[in-house]
Amino acid sequence: NAGVTQTPKFQVLKTGQSMTLQCAQDMNHEYMSWYRQDPGMGLRLIHYSVGAGITDQGEVPNGYNVSRSTTEDFPLRLLSAAPSQTSVYFCASSLSGPGNTIYFGEGSWLTVV
Amino acid sequence: GDSVTQMEGPVTLSEEAFLTINCTYTATGYPSLFWYVQYPGEGLQLLLKATKADDKGSNKGFEATYRKETTSFHLEKGSVQVSDSAVYFCALSSGSARQLTFGSGTQLTVLP
Repeated sequence: NAGVTQTPKFQVLKTGQSMTLQCAQDMNHEYMSWYRQDPGMGLRLIHYSVGAGITDQGEVPNGYNVSRSTTEDFPLRLLSAAPSQTSVYFCASSLSGPGNTIYFGEGSWLTVV
Repeated sequence: GDSVTQMEGPVTLSEEAFLTINCTYTATGYPSLFWYVQYPGEGLQLLLKATKADDKGSNKGFEATYRKETTSFHLEKGSVQVSDSAVYFCALSSGSARQLTFGSGTQLTVLP
């Protein structure tokens, strides 16, 4: 009954540090994606993947890397953290095909100081 | 590109009041439309969805109808409760892509 699992839930980073946000799903979903949520701006797509070995950029990809070596996992890497990356990050997954429900993780609150 | 315009918040209502949160969209093709809800300190949960014109999505007393002619998907509830206090996001997914385009969210506070 896990669904989409994100870790860590909270993290404080210093400017210039790197880190990885982990995302795993146990529903055998092909599609996975990462969003960031900022006040008054809704959620914006960072990167997405349509299957293992395939990734692509979303609306705001700069400063982030992703990989998809397995169907289950889709980590998001911050290469050199900046205060502008302070945000709440959500991982999501779904089956292929229009209209399928997109499931979200519980979010990761990241602060860069 | 695709876009979602959502009613500005915050919205404050008394318990048992009628709720409407407006949502209009711009998209190529025939998008699927969603309402997600985010309770304080939690992630997003799907509230309801509609995948084609004139479909009505409903859940927990909330309803929204996919209106292609007005490109709208307004959220309604006849009688809100304190427990409905949350942020509500309208979103769309178009074509074969499974990415969502979100509105900016509407904060709803229901007072007892």
